[in-house]
Amino acid sequence: AQKVTQAQTEISVVEKEDVTLDCVYETRDTTYYLFWYKQPPSGELVFLIRRNSFDEQNEISGRYSWNFQKSTSSFNFTITASQVVDSAVYFCALMWAGNNRKLIWGLGTSLAVNP
Amino acid sequence: DVKVTQSSRYLVKRTGEKVFLECVQDMDHENMFWYRQDPGLGLRLIYFSYDVKMKEKGDIPEGYSVSREKKERFSLILESASTNQTSMYLCASSLRGTYGYTFGSGTRLTVV
Repeated sequence: AQKVTQAQTEISVVEKEDVTLDCVYETRDTTYYLFWYKQPPSGELVFLIRRNSFDEQNEISGRYSWNFQKSTSSFNFTITASQVVDSAVYFCALMWAGNNRKLIWGLGTSLAVNP
Repeated sequence: DVKVTQSSRYLVKRTGEKVFLECVQDMDHENMFWYRQDPGLGLRLIYFSYDVKMKEKGDIPEGYSVSREKKERFSLILESASTNQTSMYLCASSLRGTYGYTFGSGTRLTVV
């Protein structure tokens, strides 16, 4: 079965702290895709990153970085020097080649960055 | 800027009413999706469509139907609204296959 687990329901940090959001996935497929989305208080989900299973290189985009480890089936997301604008719910999701239109979603991690 | 537009941000309907939620995308995407989002339950897929006039049931299709007569428009229909359909409804589209989704801003539906 395909599954995505985001064990952290809520995280609260103080501005400028680094924070890591965990994502663990399950799939039997060798070809799959992992995603992160951000949902700010306004409600619209915003695409952050897509990673395929054959590319284990870590990705950095400004203050955001992603660590993909197939050995532990994890795709963790780190925000460096967090800011109040990073406050949002973050979702990790999985798509597998056998059903390449549907996303399997984690339940999300609510991040609060306090000034 | 590419967009997915949902016709209403907030809706209040009465129990038993027929409700139409409209979604339009301007990106020529093949796939379109309807989700509902409820606290503690995450995003649950209601229906999706991978082509005009084609549709597939998602995880919670009961009480809903959909229509896709044109590529850019995907409508969600609540045949007889009930209070347990009070929720945030999110529409999304994707170019095809394994591409990521683009979401609309959501419709918060309250059924009284």
